[in-house]
Amino acid sequence: SQQGEEDPQALSIQEGENATMNCSYKTSINNLQWYRQNSGRGLVHLILIRSNEREKHSGRLRVTLDTSKKSSSLLITASRAADTASYFCATCFITGGGADGLTFGKGTHLIIQP
Amino acid sequence: EPEVTQTPSHQVTQMGQEVILRCVPISNHLYFYWYRQILGQKVEFLVSFYNNEISEKSEIFDDQFSVERPDGSNFTLKIRSTKLEDSAMYFCASSRLAGTDTQYFGPGTRLTVL
Repeated sequence: SQQGEEDPQALSIQEGENATMNCSYKTSINNLQWYRQNSGRGLVHLILIRSNEREKHSGRLRVTLDTSKKSSSLLITASRAADTASYFCATCFITGGGADGLTFGKGTHLIIQP
Repeated sequence: EPEVTQTPSHQVTQMGQEVILRCVPISNHLYFYWYRQILGQKVEFLVSFYNNEISEKSEIFDDQFSVERPDGSNFTLKIRSTKLEDSAMYFCASSRLAGTDTQYFGPGTRLTVL
């Protein structure tokens, strides 16, 4: 299995603080994607980082990828109450068929205290 | 901004009945996917579809499941004879390029099998 596994499982911080979530996976990947899910809702794509990239930014989000350690981190800076959600990493590897499914981790449930 | 849509948002059915879940992918996307999420568990890949045929499928996607693109816009998932354990949120996703591209998810259909 080359599933992603996030830690921590749950994280509670004060509004304005930074939140860091980590993801580990087991086998070589083509890319790694981070998604957000509000309770009972759909998955919102946040950022994709390819295996040849080490860091990517998007607004208040920063993602790093260390392929030697098979790990990634998602940093949310200056957190807001609206950032309260579950965050998932999803890995993709090429099977040759082209339309490859993502393998999701269990997610980190982030709670931002106002 | 274009988005993936799914209907219905909630489907309740009796065990043994057939259900069809519908999705309209983003219009210029070529790759389509179905995932499911049992309550409290990970998002799991079911199947991917490209060029009018299945590209990849997981062990979950057995003979009870089928997918179809009946016209130029819809993408459907059929479960022939539903079981209690099929109760889950089903997500459709699409990507413009191969699976290594960003996958955009719909809001999901919550399937409840009684």
